[in-house]
Parts: sequence; structure tokens; C-alpha cells
Amino acid sequence: AAGVIQSPRHLIKEKRETATLKCYPIPRHDTVYWYQQGPGQDPQFLISFYEKMQSDKGSIPDRFSAQQFSDYHSELNMSSLELGDSALYFCASSLEAEETQYFGPGTRLLVL
Amino acid sequence: SQQGEEDPQALSIQEGENATMNCSYKTSINNLQWYRQNSGRGLVHLILIRSNEREKHSGRLRVTLDTSKKSSSLLITASRAADTASYFCALEMIGAGSYQLTFGKGTKLSVIP
Repeated sequence: AAGVIQSPRHLIKEKRETATLKCYPIPRHDTVYWYQQGPGQDPQFLISFYEKMQSDKGSIPDRFSAQQFSDYHSELNMSSLELGDSALYFCASSLEAEETQYFGPGTRLLVL
Repeated sequence: SQQGEEDPQALSIQEGENATMNCSYKTSINNLQWYRQNSGRGLVHLILIRSNEREKHSGRLRVTLDTSKKSSSLLITASRAADTASYFCALEMIGAGSYQLTFGKGTKLSVIP
């Protein structure tokens, strides 16, 4: 069965650079979530989209923005990167009417 | 904190033994979900239990939910070395926007062959 696809899987950036993470949800899923997991930490909710509209916002820094496109894929744009942004970034997708979220393999971002 | 609090933080058992992990929380929930994560990998959904359910089974997994005590437990029976992973409870809270999940700190389970 198709799963959530995230790209890139690994990314190394310098401080103050920008990064774009991409997420391709499971086909027919209309809701996308982004989570950030720091080293040894639990995942923290950043932002979610339903039918291309932002549906909820969590602890997402102002330096980050995201959107969901007409094909339901989503991109997380991160600017002015800081060392503390080094983390695993997960995308999850679901059907709006269902509660289970299916997570992608994550993008590991390292900011040097 | 509204997130789940899991205990123990780490658990080491012999293969074949049962493993029990607990999750306590402070707010009202729509449902509680358990996820598994191998080191540095993605989160795998294990089981979802709704607030009006008390117990659910899936294979070797058994989850209970006591909303009066605001607690849940995950039991893995007849553990295997391949069960070694971190296990997180995740809450879908009443009133939270969309279906965002609030994760607990996780229990790191080691199953020794």
C-alpha cells in the first residue's frame, strides 16, 4: 500500500540558510500534518492543512511557513535556519473523517 | 502540561516476557493512540482507542483506557527482540483544532534475546 512520502530524507544546511521539505500524502488523503521531533524528544505538532487550507497551527516558528497544493502535497518552508532547528520533521496524512494519522519516514535536518 | 506522561521512561525485558507501558494525561480526549518508533525512524501507528472504549486488542497488543483516571496502558505480550523500539502515546484532545496529536515523552523498550 502507498505510504506518505517525504523528501529529502536528509538535509544539511548552514545557519541562516533556507530549506524546503516536501510531503506527498497517501492517495485520497485530504489532510496533512507537520511535526518536529528534536533529538530525544517527542514529536511536536507544527501545522496542519485540510483541503489546501490551514486547519490548525501549533508551535511553528514565524520563520517557518507551509502550504498544501492542489494535488494535496505539502511543503514546509524554513528560513533563517538556526542550530536548534536540527530535528526530524515528520509529515502525516489522514482522511478528514478519520482519526488515524499515517506518518512518513521523516526528513532529518541538520543545521551547522 | 497537557501532553501524555508515560512511564516507565525505559523498560528492559527478556524475550517472551510481557511489556506494559502506561500513559497518563490531564485533559479530556476524543481518542488516544499508540505509536511505535524505531530509532531515528518514522512513527508507526499501532492502535487507536476512543474515549468511549475501555479495551482494544490487535495481535499481541492490548490497550486499555480509563477515562476516569485519565490513563491508558499498552501491553505487548510474548515480546520479541524486534519489538525493541520507543512507544509513544498520542492524545487527540477535545477542542483541539483539526485532529492534531499531542505526544507523550515515550517509553524506550529493549527486548533482550
